[in-house]
Amino acid sequence: AQTVTQSQPEMSVQEAETVTLSCTYDTSESNYYLFWYKQPPSRQMILVIRQEAYKQQNATENRFSVNFQKAAKSFSLKISDSQLGDTAMYFCAFTRVASGTYKYIFGTGTRLKVLA
Amino acid sequence: SQTIHQWPATLVQPVGSPLSLECTVEGTSNPNLYWYRQAAGRGLQLLFYSVGIGQISSEVPQNLSASRPQDRQFILSSKKLLLSDSGFYLCAWAPGRATDTQYFGPGTRLTVL
Repeated sequence: AQTVTQSQPEMSVQEAETVTLSCTYDTSESNYYLFWYKQPPSRQMILVIRQEAYKQQNATENRFSVNFQKAAKSFSLKISDSQLGDTAMYFCAFTRVASGTYKYIFGTGTRLKVLA
Repeated sequence: SQTIHQWPATLVQPVGSPLSLECTVEGTSNPNLYWYRQAAGRGLQLLFYSVGIGQISSEVPQNLSASRPQDRQFILSSKKLLLSDSGFYLCAWAPGRATDTQYFGPGTRLTVL
């Protein structure tokens, strides 16, 4: 069975600094997708970034980038130039590429606080 | 563009009362639909998902049920609420493939007293 682990329940970072959130996963699949979602205080879940396992190039979206280490089964999120609006819960998620698969597996989340 | 609605936004119900939460999606057809629950300080627990009208898969046996009476409507129900049903309920949709991005609704905060 696949699992997703986020070992940092809470983190804080100064505004304009860089922070990295960790995510590890366990799977025997070779092809899958990984996601980072953000849940601000409004509770609306928002997709931050998405990575396809067969692509070696790390995904980036503006200030957000990932460090995808397939062999180590690690998928960390780096937030550069942190802003107060980045304060949120961040969830890592996994889904495998297989016929009949429709589910995501989520980690327990990391609460990030950006300090002014 | 696609939008997803959930209502009500907040709900306070006594133990033993029935529940009906509704989720609708606009701007797409034949989406996959999902119900999640998020307990305080916890991650997301998948409750149900549906790949078509009348097709419901249950992930966690409990006193909740789900129905999909129309293509873009997903309903979460209970005949008798328990205290442990309190939480934040999120509906999500995805275009159809396993690897498609899931898009979430604004959620419903349920408090069972």
